[in-house]
Amino acid sequence: QKEVEQNSGPLSVPEGAIASLNCTYSDRVSQSFFWYRQYSGKSPELIMSIYSNGDKEDGRFTAQLNKASQYVSLLIRDSQPSDSATYLCAYSVQGAQKLVFGQGTRLTINP
Amino acid sequence: EPEVTQTPSHQVTQMGQEVILRCVPISNHLYFYWYRQILGQKVEFLVSFYNNEISEKSEIFDDQFSVERPDGSNFTLKIRSTKLEDSAMYFCASSPGTSGRGKNIQYFGAGTRLSVL
Repeated sequence: QKEVEQNSGPLSVPEGAIASLNCTYSDRVSQSFFWYRQYSGKSPELIMSIYSNGDKEDGRFTAQLNKASQYVSLLIRDSQPSDSATYLCAYSVQGAQKLVFGQGTRLTINP
Repeated sequence: EPEVTQTPSHQVTQMGQEVILRCVPISNHLYFYWYRQILGQKVEFLVSFYNNEISEKSEIFDDQFSVERPDGSNFTLKIRSTKLEDSAMYFCASSPGTSGRGKNIQYFGAGTRLSVL
C-alpha cells in the first residue's frame, strides 16, 4: 500500500467554483499534515499545515483532517486560474523530520 | 521574506563525474533537508541534517551521496560518481526546529535541475 495516495487527476474545476482535493495515508502515527502547491517546473510551496482533527481555514483554503479515517483534504473556494497547479499532500511522523509526499493532484481551473 | 536559495539552477554533468549542489537555508533554521524529484514522479526524501550530523536518511541516500555544512550558512549535497538515474530536480529545504507547531514546517528552495549525460 502506498504511504500517501492522491488522485493524480487532472481535476478540472470552473473558475469561481470549489475545488476539492483528497488524500489518504497509511501510517497511523502520522502527526503533521501539509498541503503544498507546485507549479510546473517549480518547487513545492506550503499552502496549509494541519495537526488536529477538524477543519482549519486560511483565506480561500480549508484543510480537513480525520485521523480515524486516515484522510486529509483541501478545499479551495472561489477557484482562480492562478490556482491551476499540482497539489501535494505530505505528512511527517513524530520523532522523524522527513516529509512523505503523495504523487500530487493536478488541478486545472477553467476560466 | 527569508528564503532558501540553491545554486546552480541547472547542472549538466557527464556520467561518473562528481557534482556538488549548494544551498543556503533560512538563517536561524536548525533542520536542513535534501529531496529529489525525478521528472513526473513524486518528491522523495533523501536526508535530514541537524546539529552538524545526519539525523535521518532514506534508502536512496547511499554511499554515493554525502552532505556537509562547511560553514555557518551553506549546506551541500555531493554525488560522488553520478549515474544517469541521478537526473532529477534536487530540492533543499529547511525548518525552524524550535518549539511550537510550526517547528516542522519545511520551506523549499527553487531547486537544482541535475542532468547526467
